[in-house]
Amino acid sequence: DTAVSQTPKYLVTQMGNDKSIKCEQNLGHDTMYWYKQDSKKFLKIMFSYNNKELIINETVPNRFSPKSPDKAHLNLHINSLELGDSAVYFCASSQQSGRVFNEQFFGPGTRLTVL
Amino acid sequence: GIQVEQSPPDLILQEGANSTLRCNFSDSVNNLQWFHQNPWGQLINLFYIPSGTKQNGRLSATTVATERYSLLYISSSQTTDSGVYFCAVGGRGSTLGRLYFGRGTQLTVWP
Repeated sequence: DTAVSQTPKYLVTQMGNDKSIKCEQNLGHDTMYWYKQDSKKFLKIMFSYNNKELIINETVPNRFSPKSPDKAHLNLHINSLELGDSAVYFCASSQQSGRVFNEQFFGPGTRLTVL
Repeated sequence: GIQVEQSPPDLILQEGANSTLRCNFSDSVNNLQWFHQNPWGQLINLFYIPSGTKQNGRLSATTVATERYSLLYISSSQTTDSGVYFCAVGGRGSTLGRLYFGRGTQLTVWP
């Protein structure tokens, strides 16, 4: 019974293509995130949505566009893929309590390879 | 953002040995988590520990928020403990909601 799931697990594509990654959580959380892990395993936040509202938008090229159709889903669409976009993308979720964002739980990751 | 430094960057142990991993952070936080990234790439939650001490089997963690550090203890290590251990902190104010990750400690446990 997966808590945070992502599809696809692997994505191999050519430069210039457009691709999407989907994320779903069944934890009943109200906040979802996208993180990028680079080739040196460094993890950095990209976006966050709270109750379908964008609350964090780090310095990310505007080729990346997140969309949250509802609290349980957060998708990431990437236009005009570049070699440097190759990375593992992790989705996460947590529950907000007042001014605190509680423990974050991560999905299995999507390994994107741009050729 | 918040700077997170982990040490040591690499650790090689014989099965059965004990170890201590350290995480220093540059600002006050309202969230601190330890993760284990296994060889298959999964990020597994170990502890949610903004302050105090917690234990889970052979693992325990302590966070001293006022001094801006956290320690992860692994006792009687096993080969399945191998992987990368990440510390991540959650900010306050303008950094609220973000988790800032350290660069990890790569642990290798030999039989």
